[in-house]
Amino acid sequence: GESVGLHLPTLSVQEGDNSIINCAYSNSASDYFIWYKQESGKGPQFIIDIRSNMDKRQGQRVTVLLNKTVKHLSLQIAATQPGDSAVYFCAEILYNQGGKLIFGQGTELSVKP
Amino acid sequence: EAGVAQSPRYKIIEKRQSVAFWCNPISGHATLYWYQQILGQGPKLLIQFQNNGVVDDSQLPKDRFSAERLKGVDSTLKIQPAKLEDSAVYLCASSLHSAYTEAFFGQGTRLTVV
Repeated sequence: GESVGLHLPTLSVQEGDNSIINCAYSNSASDYFIWYKQESGKGPQFIIDIRSNMDKRQGQRVTVLLNKTVKHLSLQIAATQPGDSAVYFCAEILYNQGGKLIFGQGTELSVKP
Repeated sequence: EAGVAQSPRYKIIEKRQSVAFWCNPISGHATLYWYQQILGQGPKLLIQFQNNGVVDDSQLPKDRFSAERLKGVDSTLKIQPAKLEDSAVYLCASSLHSAYTEAFFGQGTRLTVV
């Protein structure tokens, strides 16, 4: 089965608020994680990545936090906008399995104007 | 830079029929993935190629699904015969190489089996 999963299937936030999407993983050998955004009718789109030798990485309006002790990953979106409404997936690459890219179930983010 | 191209965009077939999907990855990308995404779920890896060799096909239903990557570039995924539960979006992705590089996805092919 999948080794990456998400805590919440849906998240609703007010425009301008910050969003936090969580993800748990089970494979302690994973050392590269990616967050993808998928809009309706489109393929997943890369947002941000992080290696296991880091605990935080920032992009434009997004921050990924990695806690290897509890095998937890989160995506923070600052000043959430209507265009951020989508399904967000965390994914991991399993280098001990030939570099498989495995996705979790996803969280649907809905931004209220 | 051109993205990952997939065709067809949509396909409707009857159960027990055959269907094929085509993927053209980003030029120079050595790794190619095929995923099945059922509505409301995350993409499930079916097969992963490194150039024209198979890295992982552990979740490919080999009694009905097959895939090949000709000359390490384009790839086709075939289902024969199709079942109702094969209705899903089939996504193709490619990456420069699997190590510490993100995969880029195509738009997908939406398959409906009736």
